[in-house]
Amino acid sequence: RKEVEQDPGPFNVPEGATVAFNCTYSNSASQSFFWYRQDCRKEPKLLMSVYSSGNEDGRFTAQLNRASQYISLLIRDSKLSDSATYLCVVTSGGSYIPTFGRGTSLIVHP
Amino acid sequence: NAGVTQTPKFRVLKTGQSMTLLCAQDMNHEYMYWYRQDPGMGLRLIHYSVGEGTTAKGEVPDGYNVSRLKKQNFLLGLESAAPSQTSVYFCASSYPVAGGPETQYFGPGTRLLVL
Repeated sequence: RKEVEQDPGPFNVPEGATVAFNCTYSNSASQSFFWYRQDCRKEPKLLMSVYSSGNEDGRFTAQLNRASQYISLLIRDSKLSDSATYLCVVTSGGSYIPTFGRGTSLIVHP
Repeated sequence: NAGVTQTPKFRVLKTGQSMTLLCAQDMNHEYMYWYRQDPGMGLRLIHYSVGEGTTAKGEVPDGYNVSRLKKQNFLLGLESAAPSQTSVYFCASSYPVAGGPETQYFGPGTRLLVL
């Protein structure tokens, strides 16, 4: 079982839709969680960190469920510009190495 | 503040040739990483460094060597390129928080084609 798993998608949604992605992780000692966004042929960029209390930034909401070992990303009122691959990243305490999921592809169409 | 830069942006090699990819960061970050990204495979860690003069192997280190002689630079070397090393290479840097890395900042990538 991979340490960090994501549904690769693609999630194909119309503009204005609400879409949610989940990411599961296997290491219960994980302590840092992030969502990155990667546009086609570009580098990954931090979208948001995920805190135990959840995190909201405009149309984006990230949540952490430690008991079930998953994090989620909710995108409200999807825009065409939200089309990208969303990468889940998890780091365990004392590790120098973040673990990346393979990403979830989102396509927002008119 | 340029962030993380990578040189070159694109390169074509013949099998057996060697080359060095340069990564530079101006954020005074302790940690630096080299990844490769292939279709359907996600990001795979090649080598990483937790400080000047230190390097360590990642998930897919074979065929690559690295050096971190200066804190701001992390070099990735291919001694004898193979077609299987055709990929997009990303460098990243981050700073430690509570014993682990915080946000990673990525360079724009180097696209390598080995014929």
